[in-house]
Amino acid sequence: GQQVMQIPQYQHVQEGEDFTTYCNSSTTLSNIQWYKQRPGGHPVFLIQLVKSGEVKKQKRLTFQFGEAKKNSSLHITATQTTDVGTYFCAGQPTLGSQGNLIFGKGTKLSVKP
Amino acid sequence: KAGVTQTPRYLIKTRGQQVTLSCSPISGHRSVSWYQQTPGQGLQFLFEYFSETQRNKGNFPGRFSGRQFSNSRSEMNVSTLELGDSALYLCASSWTDRGYNSYNSPLHFGNGTRLTVT
Repeated sequence: GQQVMQIPQYQHVQEGEDFTTYCNSSTTLSNIQWYKQRPGGHPVFLIQLVKSGEVKKQKRLTFQFGEAKKNSSLHITATQTTDVGTYFCAGQPTLGSQGNLIFGKGTKLSVKP
Repeated sequence: KAGVTQTPRYLIKTRGQQVTLSCSPISGHRSVSWYQQTPGQGLQFLFEYFSETQRNKGNFPGRFSGRQFSNSRSEMNVSTLELGDSALYLCASSWTDRGYNSYNSPLHFGNGTRLTVT
């Protein structure tokens, strides 16, 4: 079946270091979304990427969608303790119907002050 | 605008029992999706409802079922509970148009129902 793999599973960084999580799909995606889940919280939508090769920035966060629309990445520059949480990518398969997002298993980020 | 509301927040059930979880979407959102979240498997898609119709279904056994009412509120039911059903069940609503068949709208998640099966 269609899968979205996300690596690494865990990442521990010192505050101020950069962080990157990668998302790879076994099939071409129509679009990809990124979510953040704080400890004890629920996933919160961050951004959606639709176009091949698209790059979007939100302050210290940079999101990329691969040219083949099969991979994506989230890069955080100079992490802060407020960045702690689990980051999920979620892809909509090109041939799948609406409403069925396939989530990666997430990357859990911890930041040491 | 009020967010997605899920009730109850916590549930403890024993094996073999059945359970019903409730979800009230954001006003105006007609699509409601359900996800099961466990530490080992991450977020797994259960099903999605739009205008009282199940539009998509994940790979879960028939013990997992759901429905949506005319006011877009949704319920999911798990019958004959098993220990492995212990999880956080998340409901998410989104704005979507039946004719808009390209991209998923962002999901707005509720706080979830933490189900423990003993």
